[in-house]
Amino acid sequence: DIQMTQSPSTLSVSVGDRVTITCRASESIGIWLAWYRQKPGKGPNLLIYKASTLESGVPSRFSGSGSGTEFTLTISSLQPDDFATYYCQQYNSYSLTFGGGTKVEIK
Amino acid sequence: QITLKESGPTLVKPTQTLTLTCTFSGFSLTTSGVGVGWIRQPPGKSLEWLALIYWDDDKRYSPSLKSRLTITKDTSKNQVVLTMTNMDPVDTATYYCAHKMTGSGRRFFDYWGQGTLVFVSS
Repeated sequence: DIQMTQSPSTLSVSVGDRVTITCRASESIGIWLAWYRQKPGKGPNLLIYKASTLESGVPSRFSGSGSGTEFTLTISSLQPDDFATYYCQQYNSYSLTFGGGTKVEIK
Repeated sequence: QITLKESGPTLVKPTQTLTLTCTFSGFSLTTSGVGVGWIRQPPGKSLEWLALIYWDDDKRYSPSLKSRLTITKDTSKNQVVLTMTNMDPVDTATYYCAHKMTGSGRRFFDYWGQGTLVFVSS
């Protein structure tokens, strides 16, 4: 399986801050990466796919970049709704794998 | 509007078989490119993909759990069923079903159910 490693595991930030989360793959996955946001007690919501394509309806403060083995999710100005846990997922191989998650909490 | 909802037992005993049903609306599993997957999440932990079934009945399983999993579909009922044999307390988790984004190669999930929490305990 391709291993996905996210960093940091926790991020303490304030509303309005710029947030960057990193996801690294154990081998090259091209651009076949998705990002999700999960709020407590809910299923994940798709934010970005193909590394940088914003899902329809997702605010433009979210952006994604990267290719190969290193990827980033950036939130340009954190909003109250964004305090949640973020996951990356690779879909280069048929065996899908997720990162360990990054919890964005209030500072 | 696409919706999915998981159903099944809240509690199963070790060694038993778990059967979960995903009932969906807003799309058809007979449409080319469509798929439904199952993903689980132990309390306080990350997500783990389990299985995926496609419109053409192609099935994919997590290599580490393949021997214990079976995924099937009933297109007339708009349902996907996952069975997992030989349940163990480490299988305690919230189990989600999700719609795979339509299109070739798009093996990620754009709509998720609310999840169903399954405890494994004697």
